[in-house]
Amino acid sequence: DTAVSQTPKYLVTQMGNDKSIKCEQNLGHDTMYWYKQDSKKFLKIMFSYNNKELIINETVPNRFSPKSPDKAHLNLHINSLELGDSAVYFCASSQGSGRGTDTQYFGPGTRLTVL
Amino acid sequence: KNQVEQSPQSLIILEGKNCTLQCNYTVSPFSNLRWYKQDTGRGPVSLTIMTFSENTKSNGRYTATLDADTKQSSLHITASQLSDSASYICVVSALGNTPLVFGKGTRLSVIA
Repeated sequence: DTAVSQTPKYLVTQMGNDKSIKCEQNLGHDTMYWYKQDSKKFLKIMFSYNNKELIINETVPNRFSPKSPDKAHLNLHINSLELGDSAVYFCASSQGSGRGTDTQYFGPGTRLTVL
Repeated sequence: KNQVEQSPQSLIILEGKNCTLQCNYTVSPFSNLRWYKQDTGRGPVSLTIMTFSENTKSNGRYTATLDADTKQSSLHITASQLSDSASYICVVSALGNTPLVFGKGTRLSVIA
């Protein structure tokens, strides 16, 4: 009964490929997020969706495209992968709009390695 | 520019000892401050969330303080356990539709 789940846990791929990471939450939350954590462990928000609508898009290259088929899912598709995309990607969710004191619940992360 | 600075970068303490982690921020206008614990290989887990009017909040052996005037927060861990070994991340939110600002974290190692 995992709250926020991501697949795959590990992803190793070649430069130039296109890949997707899936995220699902079973908490009934309205808002979902994608974060990137680089090699220095610095977490940065990439996107946030509220009820399937994009709220935040933080200067992320347009090679990254989030897709939210429904409130419980927020997938991340990455085109033309580059070496600098190597990182751990975390999905998270929260109740409400995500602007107040809502607790964010994080998934286990997907470690992406681009060779 | 909205920033969150944490100190120390890393800390090693003996099991059973107390420790305090610091967080200074320049985020404005302030909405709330959160402390997260991130175990190696896992996603962050929320410990506390404090708004402007709160200056202390506890979660078991974790106690967070907030001084909104000096824009400082601390996380105090009492009677540390080996399982407290993790990164502790301070996160500050501004009012309005702006993203959370994350600190780089303090890496705590508790040794026997």
